[in-house]
Amino acid sequence: GQQLNQSPQSMFIQEGEDVSMNCTSSSIFNTWLWYKQDPGEGPVLLIALYKAGELTSNGRLTAQFGITRKDSFLNISASIPSDVGIYFCAAPNTGNQFYFGTGTSLTVIP
Amino acid sequence: DGGITQSPKYLFRKEGQNVTLSCEQNLNHDAMYWYRQDPGQGLRLIYYSQIVNDFQKGDIAEGYSVSREKKESFPLTVTSAQKNPTAFYLCASSPWTSGANVLTFGAGSRLTVL
Repeated sequence: GQQLNQSPQSMFIQEGEDVSMNCTSSSIFNTWLWYKQDPGEGPVLLIALYKAGELTSNGRLTAQFGITRKDSFLNISASIPSDVGIYFCAAPNTGNQFYFGTGTSLTVIP
Repeated sequence: DGGITQSPKYLFRKEGQNVTLSCEQNLNHDAMYWYRQDPGQGLRLIYYSQIVNDFQKGDIAEGYSVSREKKESFPLTVTSAQKNPTAFYLCASSPWTSGANVLTFGAGSRLTVL
């Protein structure tokens, strides 16, 4: 199945730094989702985006739905150790089939 | 609280055995999914179901089987025909409505073949 192109694949940052990651696709989507997955656990929804150009925040997290509807961005401000994990994007097609990015592994160095 | 319950969390299987992973949801979602997750790879769809008594193969259905006898339940059987079953398995559900579709995941089940 189709996968979303997610970058970077991994990030090593100092505590307090900001983080940016993005997902791109050759297809248009009407919904973009961002999840976080801790080791050995299921993914947890962070932010859902439903409108092109939409900018949505959840605490220190901010995500944007690209204006072309082919991309999305996630930013984490002032990172803390508990931000460690794998972040991935997802998007459903009109048949409710979900496509996923391969994930960004985030390591925060105290 | 509404959510998805997967069991068992850890499962060990000998070669040649079938095993069944349980998935129960109380979110009243119509659609349910099974994904396989391997290190360094994205989620791959095994099976999905939009409605009771109906299900469709995903990208990697060979060696797996499912049933959907109740809206709340979507068990996955990993058969002996699955060549490399050691993986992390995720069950998920979603409302079957166009537009605001969000996927809710269970905590996962890790299967190891001895």
